[in-house]
Amino acid sequence: AQSVTQLDSQVPVFEEAPVELRCNYSSSVSVYLFWYVQYPNQGLQLLLKYLSGSTLVESINGFEAEFNKSQTSFHLRKPSVHISDTAEYFCAVSPGGNTPLVFGKGTRLSVIA
Amino acid sequence: DTGVSQNPRHKITKRGQNVTFRCDPISEHNRLYWYRQTLGQGPEFLTYFQNEAQLEKSRLLSDRFSAERPKGSFSTLEIQRTEQGDSAMYLCASSLRASGRARYTQYFGPGTRLTVL
Repeated sequence: AQSVTQLDSQVPVFEEAPVELRCNYSSSVSVYLFWYVQYPNQGLQLLLKYLSGSTLVESINGFEAEFNKSQTSFHLRKPSVHISDTAEYFCAVSPGGNTPLVFGKGTRLSVIA
Repeated sequence: DTGVSQNPRHKITKRGQNVTFRCDPISEHNRLYWYRQTLGQGPEFLTYFQNEAQLEKSRLLSDRFSAERPKGSFSTLEIQRTEQGDSAMYLCASSLRASGRARYTQYFGPGTRLTVL
């Protein structure tokens, strides 16, 4: 069975500072990895995903995540955050692609002006 | 592409009552998933369909829960004899076996928030 650990439940950070949200997973098989974001009072939106190929994946709004197979990690980073990045971020894994996702408990990112 | 829609958005019910939620996936998406999210937790898988066939049910889905997807389009999730522990956000997602940017992406609806008094 797969599981996902998001080590930080809350991360406060000042505007324009860098941030890293940590995600570790456990699985006995190869997995596909996802980061979803949930803005206040909105549904989950896909931020980025790793399926295969380059281990560094990027989103359109400046976030990036690196798949590290040896450390079973998929940490999310952004070099400079904005107030609008305030949201809940969920890491998820899927063993088969079009199969149910296993989510972590989420990390609440609060960007402070 | 109008997105995944869910109705109602909010439901308040008394313990012991039955409730039914509806999910309309993105058209032509053949897979449909139900998840439940409680406060401070990530979404937890409940069940999913490929077209009208229910492929898997989680152990979280007690016999009070039933889901259907007639004709492989919209889906309903019914909870019978609701309990206070059923209070949660119920999320629906859909996906299409596709290539390109949509590959393996689940698109989520806004959710139905259930409160059992």
